[in-house]
Amino acid sequence: DAKTTQPPSMDCAEGRAANLPCNHSTISGNEYVYWYRQIHSQGPQYIIHGLKNNETNEMASLIITEDRKSSTLILPHATLRDTAVYYCIVRVEGDYKLSFGAGTTVTVRA
Amino acid sequence: GAVVSQHPSWVICKSGTSVKIECRSLDFQATTMFWYRQFPKQSLMLMATSNEGSKATYEQGVEKDKFLINHASLTLSTLTVTSAHPEDSSFYICSAVQGANHEQYFGPGTRLTVT
Repeated sequence: DAKTTQPPSMDCAEGRAANLPCNHSTISGNEYVYWYRQIHSQGPQYIIHGLKNNETNEMASLIITEDRKSSTLILPHATLRDTAVYYCIVRVEGDYKLSFGAGTTVTVRA
Repeated sequence: GAVVSQHPSWVICKSGTSVKIECRSLDFQATTMFWYRQFPKQSLMLMATSNEGSKATYEQGVEKDKFLINHASLTLSTLTVTSAHPEDSSFYICSAVQGANHEQYFGPGTRLTVT
C-alpha cells in the first residue's frame, strides 16, 4: 500500500518547467521522500531525495513543505526525453525497500 | 553513477522450461539486491530481497520454489523462473544498494515471454 498520492498524468510543454506534486500526509519523522522515474521499457532511474530541506541536483529540484505532508518535484526545463512515469516514494532511513505506487505519467510535448 | 546490468535483456521460452536472469553491479559491491516484476501498464511489484550469502526474503504471495534467487557474490544475483508458464510473462527488474548509501540503482530490466 503506497503512502503517497500522485496525479495519474500530466502534460507539459518542452522547455518549460514541470512541477510534479506528491501528497504524503502520513509521513513519519524518519521517512525520506524519494523520486524515481521510469522511461518506457527501462528500469527506474533515481532522481532526488530529501528529508525536510529543499534539495537540488543536476536533474531536478525537490521542494518539501514545512509540515512535510507534500512535496513537488521540479524539472526546470523539460525535454522530450523527460517523458516517463515519475514515482514519489517515502522510505524510512535504513530500510532499502521501495514501494512503488502508480506514479504520474508525464508527457512532454513539443 | 553506479551501474547495474541485467542479462538477458529479453528472452522467449517455452512453457515448462526454466529461465535464469542475471543481475550484476558493475562498479560497486551490493550487499543487498532486489527483484521486481512489472506487468504491462502496471507499477513495479517487489518480489524478493536478496542478501549476499543468505537466503532471499520473499514478499507475500511470491512462490519461493518457483522464483529461485541466488546471491552468491557481492556483484551478482540471479533469478531463476522455474517451470515457466505464460502468466509468468513479465518485465523483471533488479536493483542493488550500494553499501551505506541510500540510493538504489536499477538494472535495465529483462522482458520474459513464455509461449
